[in-house]
Amino acid sequence: GAVVSQHPSRVICKSGTSVKIECRSLDFQATTMFWYRQFPKKSLMLMATSNEGSKATYEQGVEKDKFLINHASLTLSTLTVTSAHPEDSSFYICSARSGSAYEQYFGPGTRLTVT
Amino acid sequence: QKEVEQDPGPLSVPEGAIVSLNCTYSNSAFQYFMWYRQYSRKGPELLMYTYSSGNKEDGRFTAQVDKSSKYISLFIRDSQPSDSATYLCAMKSGAGSYQLTFGKGTKLSVIP
Repeated sequence: GAVVSQHPSRVICKSGTSVKIECRSLDFQATTMFWYRQFPKKSLMLMATSNEGSKATYEQGVEKDKFLINHASLTLSTLTVTSAHPEDSSFYICSARSGSAYEQYFGPGTRLTVT
Repeated sequence: QKEVEQDPGPLSVPEGAIVSLNCTYSNSAFQYFMWYRQYSRKGPELLMYTYSSGNKEDGRFTAQVDKSSKYISLFIRDSQPSDSATYLCAMKSGAGSYQLTFGKGTKLSVIP
């Protein structure tokens, strides 16, 4: 149980375009979903927290207009990187939790490369 | 001082060795403690989670929490090459948000 999927697993896009990444909880209802960014050989950097049906809470320094998060259902959250630039190239990982549980279950990650 | 400190390694051990991975923390409000394993270019996988102080064992893995010392450990017995990965500790306070605070991870290599 507790499986989280992400799609796509990797994407290459041109500078200035937008990219959408999907995060799905496959066998549980995700009360909260988290979006992280991970640089090579670095730990996870929390970008935002989203609860189903409400606006995401962004961490300091994360541009909400650039990284659009939608958590429309209890099993799906999306992250859209708008007007992507090469510095947005990174590994993006989502996680999900449900109910009163505190442990987070992570997706496999999406490798974004902006050329 | 960072909230969670974890030696990044790399740590190399021979197959069959006992591995000890550790994290220290400064926030005495942390109550929930987790260990994640992350293979290269993959998302982290939850290995163990514990509440407050004490030990928890699952197969070859044992998690220990010493709240008085603000120190947590993950022991891996009879280590295998397939255990080669980066191990991240994570923790959360007892109340409030569900955000986790992560260590930077320790890269482990188990040499056959």
